[in-house]
Amino acid sequence: EAGVAQSPRYKIIEKRQSVAFWCNPISGHATLYWYQQILGQGPKLLIQFQNNGVVDDSQLPKDRFSAERLKGVDSTLKIQPAKLEDSAVYLCASSLALADTQYFGPGTRLTVL
Amino acid sequence: AQSVSQHNHHVILSEAASLELGCNYSYGGTVNLFWYVQYPGQHLQLLLKYFSGDPLVKGIKGFEAEFIKSKFSFNLRKPSVQWSDTAEYFCAAKLDSGYALNFGKGTSLLVTP
Repeated sequence: EAGVAQSPRYKIIEKRQSVAFWCNPISGHATLYWYQQILGQGPKLLIQFQNNGVVDDSQLPKDRFSAERLKGVDSTLKIQPAKLEDSAVYLCASSLALADTQYFGPGTRLTVL
Repeated sequence: AQSVSQHNHHVILSEAASLELGCNYSYGGTVNLFWYVQYPGQHLQLLLKYFSGDPLVKGIKGFEAEFIKSKFSFNLRKPSVQWSDTAEYFCAAKLDSGYALNFGKGTSLLVTP
């Protein structure tokens, strides 16, 4: 069974630029999550989708971050404009249903200069 | 506020030593508990989980964890570590009725030959 796919794996941008990350969940998984993992900390949930609807985006900085899952499968996370403190690994995870075990992708390491 | 704390940030052990990593949570209500592991260069993988039932949970690669409700703890153990257990270990929790997964800051384990 293929796992959660993410791209790109690495991205370096300058502050105030925009960036987008892509995630393809495990086939059949209805729930998709985006996490931010800052160096030295555990992952922090940014947004959670159930199919193409948002379940929880309470910790998403909506002034600069946006995410969508238009067809209920792939998802993109965008940052515009980026700040230095956005440097982190952005993890995508998926689960079969809302309360099920989450499976993580390899992450995208973002460096903002 | 709901939180997860891991006591040890860095642990160094010799091969064949016993391992115990501490994890405490502060939640009201029924919780689901998880340990995830991240090997160098790899993505987060589920080691084991506790939802209900027997408080002693066995996971992959010889790991186990014990849920002690009175102590709000879910410590990870392995009787004899191997060099290949070198990794970052994350404890995570969520309300049984909820979806948001909260992670601890992680414990970096280095096993020396």
